[in-house]
Amino acid sequence: SAVISQKPSRDICQRGTSLTIQCQVDSQVTMMFWYRQQPGQSLTLIATANQGSEATYESGFVIDKFPISRPNLTFSTLTVSNLSPEDSSIYLCSAGGQPAGGGEQYFGPGTRLTVT
Amino acid sequence: QKEVEQNSGPLSVPEGAIASLNCTYSDRGSQSFFWYRQYSGKSPELIMSIYSNGDKEDGRFTAQLNKASQYVSLLIRDSQPSDSATYLCAVRTYNTDKLIFGTGTRLQVFP
Repeated sequence: SAVISQKPSRDICQRGTSLTIQCQVDSQVTMMFWYRQQPGQSLTLIATANQGSEATYESGFVIDKFPISRPNLTFSTLTVSNLSPEDSSIYLCSAGGQPAGGGEQYFGPGTRLTVT
Repeated sequence: QKEVEQNSGPLSVPEGAIASLNCTYSDRGSQSFFWYRQYSGKSPELIMSIYSNGDKEDGRFTAQLNKASQYVSLLIRDSQPSDSATYLCAVRTYNTDKLIFGTGTRLQVFP
């Protein structure tokens, strides 16, 4: 299984600013994903981070609000832009998902974002 | 209809009992099925994966899959208070890398 780290673990940001979250995997992985988990809710997929190409966004999520980078096979960033209190949530990075490997995904520890 | 459904619970079981967690899914093309455990304030941890019909055992955990009924379950034998957590069912459908998560079942194991 992959070991995944995220930075920062938590942050408090002001409305209108942006936060960039970093995700580092200890081995090369094909697939990286970004999720949001609001309090008491399940996980919602924001986008799939593709190495060498633009991220693939799920319905309801747009690149202008959630720009994603994937410069190599071990690293990705998610930026949450123009923050509003509704963006307060936990943001999770995951890695894995290769169909040949069964599709397992492993999660980072998450980033807790509070927008004031 | 939700794609992956779970009873939100809480499911309360006494220590030492068997906890049975259930999940149904709507897409018959689903191929891979996963159970994650999530403690409060922590990220999900993969505890079981199952790909074919039948049972798969790993320690105190048994995953059961019935594709005809579109049903996957997780049994936890000899439940311990440390098993108290939310259990998330996740499904990967055919020809995709994405997982669809259920809303989770909160399990409470009382001494």
